[in-house]
Amino acid sequence: KAGVTQTPRYLIKTRGQQVTLSCSPISGHRSVSWYQQTPGQGLQFLFEYFSETQRNKGNFPGRFSGRQFSNSRSEMNVSTLELGDSALYLCASSSRVVASTDTQYFGPGTRLTVL
Amino acid sequence: AQKITQTQPGMFVQEKEAVTLDCTYDTSDQSYGLFWYKQPSSGEMIFLIYQGSYDEQNATEGRYSLNFQKARKSANLVISASQLGDSAMYFCAMREGRNTGFQKLVFGTGTRLLVSP
Repeated sequence: KAGVTQTPRYLIKTRGQQVTLSCSPISGHRSVSWYQQTPGQGLQFLFEYFSETQRNKGNFPGRFSGRQFSNSRSEMNVSTLELGDSALYLCASSSRVVASTDTQYFGPGTRLTVL
Repeated sequence: AQKITQTQPGMFVQEKEAVTLDCTYDTSDQSYGLFWYKQPSSGEMIFLIYQGSYDEQNATEGRYSLNFQKARKSANLVISASQLGDSAMYFCAMREGRNTGFQKLVFGTGTRLLVSP
């Protein structure tokens, strides 16, 4: 079974631009969560999508948004990029079955650099 | 609010030796899940092991075991017979509401493990 895939793997943008990152979950997984990882703030939860609906959101400004499609693929968008948005963006998928061992499996990440 | 604390920024171990990576947590929830992930320099987070708050036995997955002490709120990862490929960052994470499907993970700051020949 293929793992979580993220595209692109690397991105370089300039301040003020916007960017869209893509995530394809493991086949059969219906939940996609996004995380931001920076040296200063560590790993922080951005949001989770399940059945095309945002289920939970972290403490990030409205410039960060996302969506999920009917095939469970997800995109996240960052508008009006700031230098501080430079980070590794990780996507994770899970089956979201209500079971004690539901686990999030991560993709390789997209490394975004804002100049 | 949930909090995960990893007090060891870095750990060194010789190949074939065992190593323990510390993790303590703080939560007011009775139901929660604890996870360990490995992050090599490539960046991908690799799931290692899971422990539920109601699980009475410590979790094990191959060379990985989780030393769960609920009263002390600790969930230490034990890696037996270390290998060179174990060199990576290791993150402890917690999810509240084990049976609700609530997916937000809170991560610790990580421990960098270096395995020497």
